[in-house]
Amino acid sequence: QKEVEQNSGPLSVPEGAIASLNCTYSDRVSQSFFWYRQYSGKSPELIMSIYSNGDKEDGRFTAQLNKASQYVSLLIRDSQPSDSATYLCAADFGNEKLTFGTGTRLTIIP
Amino acid sequence: EAQVTQNPRYLITVTGKKLTVTCSQNMNHEYMSWYRQDPGLGLRQIYYSMNVEVTDKGDVPEGYKVSRKEKRNFPLILESPSPNQTSLYFCGTGVVGYGYTFGSGTRLTVV
Repeated sequence: QKEVEQNSGPLSVPEGAIASLNCTYSDRVSQSFFWYRQYSGKSPELIMSIYSNGDKEDGRFTAQLNKASQYVSLLIRDSQPSDSATYLCAADFGNEKLTFGTGTRLTIIP
Repeated sequence: EAQVTQNPRYLITVTGKKLTVTCSQNMNHEYMSWYRQDPGLGLRQIYYSMNVEVTDKGDVPEGYKVSRKEKRNFPLILESPSPNQTSLYFCGTGVVGYGYTFGSGTRLTVV
């Protein structure tokens, strides 16, 4: 069974601080990893994708991938109240679907 | 504007009454998929389609049907809904390996 694991939280971070979200996956063959943001009652929105080891930065977001440790993370710098949401980690295991973690609920405290 | 349109957004129905949730995309993608989202279980794939007339089961296909007669449309059919199909449903489309765009969701309640 190919799985993606996330700490469900909730994770509370003060406004302006760095939020760190973590994810592990079970299959060493995986090539593609994604972070989705989901506001309450809304659909998941793709915010980051990463395909190779190392860091990928996009504005205040940085995705980090370590294939040897089977570990993906998302850093959110200068956290804003609007970042409060559930963050879903997903992996493409090459089986015609995305496998999602159960999500981490993030709350930014003003 | 690139989008995935699902209808209806909300639906309350009774056990056994056939229903269809529609999904349409204007992004010209070959791949489309249906997921359901339940608390504590995350998003799970129901069915997917790699192309017109090509569909296959995902992780939780029991009680569902799909069809793909046109590239842009991928309806989800519940022939005889049961209360355990109460869930939040998302249709997604994209290029395999590059992430998906999801529709706004359909919240289904079966009583």
